[in-house]
Amino acid sequence: QVQLQESGPGLVKPSETLSLTCTVSGGSISSYYWSWIRQPPGKGLEWIGYIYYSGSTNYNPSLKSRVTISVDTSKNQFSLKLSSVTAADTAVYYCARGYGDYYDSSGYYHNWFDPWGQGTLVTVSS
Amino acid sequence: QSVLTQPPSASGTPGQRVTISCSGSSSNIGSNTVNWYQQLPGTAPKLLIYSNNQRPSGVPDRFSGSKSGTSASLAISGLQSEDEADYYCAAWDDSLNGGVFGGGTKLTVL
Repeated sequence: QVQLQESGPGLVKPSETLSLTCTVSGGSISSYYWSWIRQPPGKGLEWIGYIYYSGSTNYNPSLKSRVTISVDTSKNQFSLKLSSVTAADTAVYYCARGYGDYYDSSGYYHNWFDPWGQGTLVTVSS
Repeated sequence: QSVLTQPPSASGTPGQRVTISCSGSSSNIGSNTVNWYQQLPGTAPKLLIYSNNQRPSGVPDRFSGSKSGTSASLAISGLQSEDEADYYCAAWDDSLNGGVFGGGTKLTVL
């Protein structure tokens, strides 16, 4: 059974870069795609982006200029870097496996996130 | 402001049936499938429904999903106290070329 675990600093200063790693256990990272999703305190979910095991990426347009997601298949890990952070980036950050990723015969795209990591709170403050 | 629109709250008594709506547009729900996630207090979201109406292994058949046009619904029958949670709908958006979520619905079991 695949499990994901986020790790990284819980406190980041404004204007600095937030860096998180997600370690995948119980399965290989060399298939599927892998996502980052965040949730500000008391608010809803926001998709940040994903990376295929091959290295190709796709980012939320609202964050694209500040986000980099990378993968290290040798360590079964993928990582998130978010630059120039502000207080608005304070959130619980989740990593998740992307599943599905196909079009059916009617042309509808199927994709979903499962499983998710437990999440890690990152606070942006001086 | 979330791309998908959900009511902020819903409620029901034990044993009752409740539904949660999710409204989108032609670029997301209208052209892609819908997923639902359940987030129990203090925990990570968990996949509840995928591909509009499919239940992952282990999800009770009390939970069901449907989609019509640019809207989707989650129905919970035989409501139980442990169903008290936040529920989020999600879909792919072709215009944004990314995943989008609803703002979440807080379900209270009275």
